[in-house]
Amino acid sequence: EVQLVESGGGLVQPGGSLRLSCAASGFTFSSYSMNWARQAPGKGLEWVSYISGSSNTIFYADSVKGRFTISRDNAKNSLYLQMNSLRAEDTAVYYCARGPPPPDSSGYADFWGQGTLVTVSS
Amino acid sequence: QAVLTQPSSLSASPGASASLTCTLRSGINIGTYRIYWYQQKPGSPPQYLLRYKSDSDKQQGSGVPSRFSGSKDASANAGILLISGLQSEDEADYYCMTWHSSAWVFGGGTKLTVL
Repeated sequence: EVQLVESGGGLVQPGGSLRLSCAASGFTFSSYSMNWARQAPGKGLEWVSYISGSSNTIFYADSVKGRFTISRDNAKNSLYLQMNSLRAEDTAVYYCARGPPPPDSSGYADFWGQGTLVTVSS
Repeated sequence: QAVLTQPSSLSASPGASASLTCTLRSGINIGTYRIYWYQQKPGSPPQYLLRYKSDSDKQQGSGVPSRFSGSKDASANAGILLISGLQSEDEADYYCMTWHSSAWVFGGGTKLTVL
């Protein structure tokens, strides 16, 4: 069974940092691209970042470029999102989402975790 | 102007069909884009439904019923999610998405009410 379990969310002050993790199981993690997306309370979905299976291709949304860093550890079946210089508008549920099965290289979010809440407030 | 625009809400009756639109910004040709569709119910993560570019380039999500289908209206520069034989369980938020300028872009979502 495919599982994606996010962790690391919580309350952080503006300007602070947080590192999110996503533990993957039930599939060959290294063969799949991964995404982070978020959803502010009562709002729509917003894509945050993409990373290919080998980490050689990475993309960011303009809203987080220069502040967030996506990474992965294929040996640990884990995806990460390092978030620095956090702002109130970064408050959201953050979802880890798997890309499509190979050989599909389009990278869309095929399966989503349950999410972890990040609250940026003083 | 947003890249993808969706009506905020839509209502339809059980057993009827619902057509959800996703309009691409003027100046961007829908013909070259794959449009992806997601369903999200309260308190749950989004679930992938399908993608559509053309009749020869389309994909149904795993386990997604065939009463969910995709199409395009080129004259309106829009992608369409058609849900036939509406059921109460189809009541949810629906989001479209596409890849544009090296980023995944979501529409604002449509809240579908089945009553």
